[in-house]
Amino acid sequence: DSGVTQTPKHLITATGQRVTLRCSPRSGDLSVYWYQQSLDQGLQFLIQYYNGEERAKGNILERFSAQQFPDLHSELNLSSLELGDSALYFCASSSGTGEKLFFGSGTQLSVL
Amino acid sequence: DQQVKQNSPSLSVQEGRISILNCDYTNSMFDYFLWYKKYPAEGPTFLISISSIKDKNEDGRFTVFLNKSAKHLSLHIVPSQPGDSAVYFCAASAQTGANNLFFGTGTRLTVIP
Repeated sequence: DSGVTQTPKHLITATGQRVTLRCSPRSGDLSVYWYQQSLDQGLQFLIQYYNGEERAKGNILERFSAQQFPDLHSELNLSSLELGDSALYFCASSSGTGEKLFFGSGTQLSVL
Repeated sequence: DQQVKQNSPSLSVQEGRISILNCDYTNSMFDYFLWYKKYPAEGPTFLISISSIKDKNEDGRFTVFLNKSAKHLSLHIVPSQPGDSAVYFCAASAQTGANNLFFGTGTRLTVIP
Protein backbone atom coordinates (compact mmCIF):
# COMPACT_ATOMS: atom_id res chain seq x y z
CA ASP A 1 0.00 0.00 0.00
CA SER A 2 1.60 3.25 -1.20
CA GLY A 3 -0.55 5.43 1.05
CA VAL A 4 -1.94 7.31 -1.97
CA THR A 5 -5.69 6.88 -2.41
CA GLN A 6 -7.50 7.38 -5.68
CA THR A 7 -11.23 7.31 -6.22
CA PRO A 8 -13.10 6.03 -8.05
CA LYS A 9 -11.24 2.94 -9.29
CA HIS A 10 -13.38 2.70 -12.39
CA LEU A 11 -15.44 5.29 -14.23
CA ILE A 12 -17.59 4.75 -17.29
CA THR A 13 -19.12 7.74 -18.98
CA ALA A 14 -20.21 9.08 -22.35
CA THR A 15 -18.60 11.48 -24.78
CA GLY A 16 -19.20 15.11 -23.96
CA GLN A 17 -19.53 14.47 -20.25
CA ARG A 18 -17.46 15.81 -17.37
CA VAL A 19 -15.85 13.76 -14.61
CA THR A 20 -13.79 14.41 -11.51
CA LEU A 21 -11.03 12.14 -10.28
CA ARG A 22 -9.92 12.42 -6.70
CA CYS A 23 -6.59 11.80 -5.03
CA SER A 24 -5.46 11.82 -1.42
CA PRO A 25 -1.68 11.93 -1.10
CA ARG A 26 0.43 10.12 1.47
CA SER A 27 0.30 11.69 4.89
CA GLY A 28 2.74 14.60 4.96
CA ASP A 29 3.38 14.73 1.22
CA LEU A 30 2.96 18.21 -0.21
CA SER A 31 3.30 17.40 -3.91
CA VAL A 32 0.67 15.74 -6.04
CA TYR A 33 1.21 14.65 -9.62
CA TRP A 34 -1.25 13.46 -12.23
CA TYR A 35 -0.27 11.04 -15.00
CA GLN A 36 -2.21 9.53 -17.87
CA GLN A 37 -1.49 6.09 -19.26
CA SER A 38 -3.17 5.28 -22.54
CA LEU A 39 -3.07 1.85 -24.14
CA ASP A 40 0.52 0.85 -24.96
CA GLN A 41 1.79 4.22 -23.86
CA GLY A 42 4.06 5.19 -21.04
CA LEU A 43 2.87 7.38 -18.24
CA GLN A 44 2.39 10.89 -19.57
CA PHE A 45 2.89 13.67 -17.05
CA LEU A 46 -0.10 15.98 -16.87
CA ILE A 47 0.37 18.38 -13.97
CA GLN A 48 1.97 18.83 -10.56
CA TYR A 49 0.79 20.75 -7.53
CA TYR A 50 2.85 21.65 -4.50
CA ASN A 51 1.12 22.78 -1.33
CA GLY A 52 -1.85 24.11 -3.24
CA GLU A 53 0.04 25.84 -6.03
CA GLU A 54 0.56 24.63 -9.58
CA ARG A 55 4.25 23.72 -9.89
CA ALA A 56 4.67 22.14 -13.31
CA LYS A 57 2.56 21.43 -16.35
CA GLY A 58 2.98 18.71 -18.90
CA ASN A 59 0.85 17.55 -21.79
CA ILE A 60 -2.43 18.50 -20.21
CA LEU A 61 -5.28 19.38 -22.52
CA GLU A 62 -7.19 22.62 -22.05
CA ARG A 63 -10.30 20.51 -21.38
CA PHE A 64 -8.55 19.15 -18.31
CA SER A 65 -7.91 21.04 -15.11
CA ALA A 66 -6.73 20.21 -11.63
CA GLN A 67 -6.49 21.73 -8.23
CA GLN A 68 -5.06 20.95 -4.83
CA PHE A 69 -7.07 21.85 -1.78
CA PRO A 70 -5.91 23.10 1.64
CA ASP A 71 -6.10 19.57 3.04
CA LEU A 72 -3.70 18.61 0.19
CA HIS A 73 -6.07 16.31 -1.63
CA SER A 74 -6.30 16.93 -5.35
CA GLU A 75 -8.92 16.64 -8.04
CA LEU A 76 -8.48 16.22 -11.77
CA ASN A 77 -11.41 17.49 -13.79
CA LEU A 78 -11.91 16.18 -17.31
CA SER A 79 -14.57 17.86 -19.45
CA SER A 80 -16.05 17.52 -22.93
CA LEU A 81 -14.80 13.96 -22.85
CA GLU A 82 -13.76 12.24 -26.05
CA LEU A 83 -13.21 8.58 -26.82
CA GLY A 84 -9.46 9.18 -26.82
CA ASP A 85 -9.56 10.28 -23.20
CA SER A 86 -10.14 6.68 -22.18
CA ALA A 87 -7.07 5.81 -20.14
CA LEU A 88 -5.71 4.94 -16.74
CA TYR A 89 -5.16 8.07 -14.69
CA PHE A 90 -2.62 7.88 -11.90
CA CYS A 91 -2.05 10.22 -9.05
CA ALA A 92 1.28 10.24 -7.26
CA SER A 93 2.67 12.13 -4.31
CA SER A 94 6.05 13.02 -2.93
CA SER A 95 7.44 15.07 -0.11
CA GLY A 96 8.14 17.78 -2.64
CA THR A 97 11.88 17.52 -2.75
CA GLY A 98 12.37 13.79 -2.92
CA GLU A 99 13.07 11.84 -6.02
CA LYS A 100 10.58 9.08 -5.44
CA LEU A 101 6.97 9.24 -6.43
CA PHE A 102 4.43 7.12 -4.63
CA PHE A 103 1.58 6.15 -6.91
CA GLY A 104 -2.04 5.38 -6.26
CA SER A 105 -3.66 2.39 -7.93
CA GLY A 106 -5.24 4.56 -10.61
CA THR A 107 -8.65 5.39 -12.00
CA GLN A 108 -9.63 3.54 -15.15
CA LEU A 109 -11.71 5.93 -17.26
CA SER A 110 -13.76 4.53 -20.11
CA VAL A 111 -15.47 6.99 -22.43
CA LEU A 112 -18.14 5.33 -24.56
CA ASP B 1 8.01 12.72 -28.95
CA GLN B 2 9.01 9.86 -26.68
CA GLN B 3 12.11 10.99 -24.83
CA VAL B 4 12.44 7.74 -22.92
CA LYS B 5 12.15 4.54 -24.90
CA GLN B 6 11.83 0.92 -23.91
CA ASN B 7 11.98 -0.94 -27.19
CA SER B 8 11.19 -4.38 -25.81
CA PRO B 9 7.52 -4.66 -24.89
CA SER B 10 8.07 -8.03 -23.27
CA LEU B 11 10.75 -10.35 -21.94
CA SER B 12 10.59 -13.93 -20.69
CA VAL B 13 13.29 -15.39 -18.47
CA GLN B 14 13.72 -18.66 -16.61
CA GLU B 15 13.69 -18.53 -12.84
CA GLY B 16 17.18 -18.16 -11.45
CA ARG B 17 18.60 -16.60 -14.60
CA ILE B 18 19.43 -12.95 -15.20
CA SER B 19 16.82 -10.50 -16.50
CA ILE B 20 18.12 -7.50 -18.39
CA LEU B 21 15.73 -4.68 -19.17
CA ASN B 22 16.89 -1.86 -21.40
CA CYS B 23 16.02 1.79 -21.72
CA ASP B 24 17.23 4.54 -24.05
CA TYR B 25 16.75 8.27 -23.74
CA THR B 26 17.23 11.18 -26.09
CA ASN B 27 17.41 14.22 -23.83
CA SER B 28 21.00 14.90 -22.79
CA MET B 29 19.70 17.10 -19.97
CA PHE B 30 18.35 14.09 -18.08
CA ASP B 31 20.44 13.57 -14.98
CA TYR B 32 18.34 11.28 -12.83
CA PHE B 33 16.93 7.91 -13.75
CA LEU B 34 14.52 5.58 -12.01
CA TRP B 35 12.96 2.18 -12.48
CA TYR B 36 9.43 1.47 -11.38
CA LYS B 37 7.67 -1.87 -11.18
CA LYS B 38 3.96 -2.28 -11.77
CA TYR B 39 1.73 -5.22 -10.89
CA PRO B 40 -1.77 -5.53 -12.40
CA ALA B 41 -4.40 -3.36 -10.72
CA GLU B 42 -1.73 -1.49 -8.76
CA GLY B 43 0.14 1.73 -9.29
CA PRO B 44 3.84 1.74 -10.17
CA THR B 45 6.19 1.31 -7.22
CA PHE B 46 9.69 2.69 -7.02
CA LEU B 47 12.42 0.10 -7.47
CA ILE B 48 15.83 1.70 -7.88
CA SER B 49 17.38 4.93 -9.11
CA ILE B 50 20.69 6.32 -10.34
CA SER B 51 22.03 9.81 -10.79
CA SER B 52 24.16 10.82 -13.73
CA ILE B 53 27.28 11.11 -11.58
CA LYS B 54 27.29 7.34 -11.21
CA ASP B 55 27.41 4.51 -13.70
CA LYS B 56 26.11 1.78 -11.44
CA ASN B 57 23.79 1.43 -8.48
CA GLU B 58 23.01 -1.81 -6.73
CA ASP B 59 20.24 -2.82 -4.35
CA GLY B 60 20.08 -6.49 -3.52
CA ARG B 61 19.17 -8.45 -6.62
CA PHE B 62 18.66 -5.27 -8.64
CA THR B 63 21.42 -3.31 -10.37
CA VAL B 64 21.01 -0.35 -12.67
CA PHE B 65 23.74 0.58 -15.12
CA LEU B 66 24.00 3.95 -16.82
CA ASN B 67 25.96 4.66 -20.00
CA LYS B 68 25.70 8.40 -20.50
CA SER B 69 27.61 8.50 -23.76
CA ALA B 70 25.19 6.01 -25.28
CA LYS B 71 22.19 7.52 -23.47
CA HIS B 72 21.34 4.03 -22.32
CA LEU B 73 20.49 2.42 -19.02
CA SER B 74 19.69 -1.10 -18.07
CA LEU B 75 18.20 -2.93 -15.12
CA HIS B 76 19.67 -6.29 -14.16
CA ILE B 77 17.78 -8.68 -11.92
CA VAL B 78 19.81 -11.58 -10.60
CA PRO B 79 18.57 -14.15 -9.85
CA SER B 80 15.13 -13.65 -11.35
CA GLN B 81 12.18 -14.89 -9.33
CA PRO B 82 8.56 -15.55 -10.35
CA GLY B 83 7.48 -12.68 -8.10
CA ASP B 84 9.47 -10.33 -10.31
CA SER B 85 6.94 -10.84 -13.09
CA ALA B 86 5.54 -7.36 -13.66
CA VAL B 87 5.75 -4.40 -16.00
CA TYR B 88 8.91 -2.36 -15.53
CA PHE B 89 8.98 1.33 -16.40
CA CYS B 90 12.09 3.37 -16.92
CA ALA B 91 11.82 7.08 -16.04
CA ALA B 92 14.07 10.11 -16.26
CA SER B 93 14.12 13.69 -15.10
CA ALA B 94 16.17 16.74 -16.02
CA GLN B 95 16.88 17.62 -12.42
CA THR B 96 17.29 15.69 -9.24
CA GLY B 97 13.81 15.51 -7.89
CA ALA B 98 10.50 14.25 -9.03
CA ASN B 99 9.41 17.16 -11.15
CA ASN B 100 8.20 16.11 -14.53
CA LEU B 101 9.37 12.53 -14.76
CA PHE B 102 9.38 11.17 -18.31
CA PHE B 103 8.39 7.52 -18.49
CA GLY B 104 9.04 4.83 -21.05
CA THR B 105 6.27 2.59 -22.32
CA GLY B 106 7.26 -0.31 -20.11
CA THR B 107 8.58 -3.85 -20.51
CA ARG B 108 6.51 -6.78 -19.32
CA LEU B 109 8.79 -9.27 -17.60
CA THR B 110 7.65 -12.85 -17.17
CA VAL B 111 9.78 -15.11 -15.01
CA ILE B 112 9.04 -18.73 -15.78
CA PRO B 113 9.28 -21.13 -12.82
